[in-house]
Amino acid sequence: AQSVTQLGSHVSVSEGALVLLRCNYSSSVPPYLFWYVQYPNQGLQLLLKYTSAATLVKGINGFEAEFKKSETSFHLTKPSAHMSDAAEYFCAVSDAQAGTALIFGKGTTLSVSS
Amino acid sequence: GAVVSQHPSRVICKSGTSVKIECRSLDFQATTMFWYRQFPKQSLMLMATSNEGSKATYEQGVEKDKFLINHASLTLSTLTVTSAHPEDSSFYICSARDATANTEAFFGQGTRLTVV
Repeated sequence: AQSVTQLGSHVSVSEGALVLLRCNYSSSVPPYLFWYVQYPNQGLQLLLKYTSAATLVKGINGFEAEFKKSETSFHLTKPSAHMSDAAEYFCAVSDAQAGTALIFGKGTTLSVSS
Repeated sequence: GAVVSQHPSRVICKSGTSVKIECRSLDFQATTMFWYRQFPKQSLMLMATSNEGSKATYEQGVEKDKFLINHASLTLSTLTVTSAHPEDSSFYICSARDATANTEAFFGQGTRLTVV
């Protein structure tokens, strides 16, 4: 079985500060890992994904994440927060099979203050 | 990227009626689609996995007779909430994975269901 734990349900940063959202996973098979962003009453937008290639993954809007197998982590970072980054962020895990659903963490709400 | 279209985006229905939500993959074939439910300020909970041409696989605790799923073609899956009650009010999101590219899943815009 696969699972994801997102540490911190709410993270607050100042505009221009580093953003760090934590995600740890559990998987009995090599995982695929994803970060999605969700704005109120909208669907999910993919920020980035890890699919067993490079361990440092760069995504959209300046976000990146590093897959660390030894720590079973896939933390999301952004060097400088913008007000527009305020949203809900979900980490998700799946295996490589096309017929497998993504399993989501509980989400982290990111607040950005000016 | 690939597009998944979900319709309607919002629906209000009376208690006891049924509501159908459609999920279409617009530019790829989706052998498998997934239905999630999201309560306010909570995560997405997988309800069922929908396979084209066969019965859906439901997660534990999800009522098959209440949440009817049909996946009649490679581009369309539907979720019907039967005899809806206020506790069924939620945000429902569908997802599809491209059958030829085993990586990311694409999500619909979600449907906000309110049962009054």
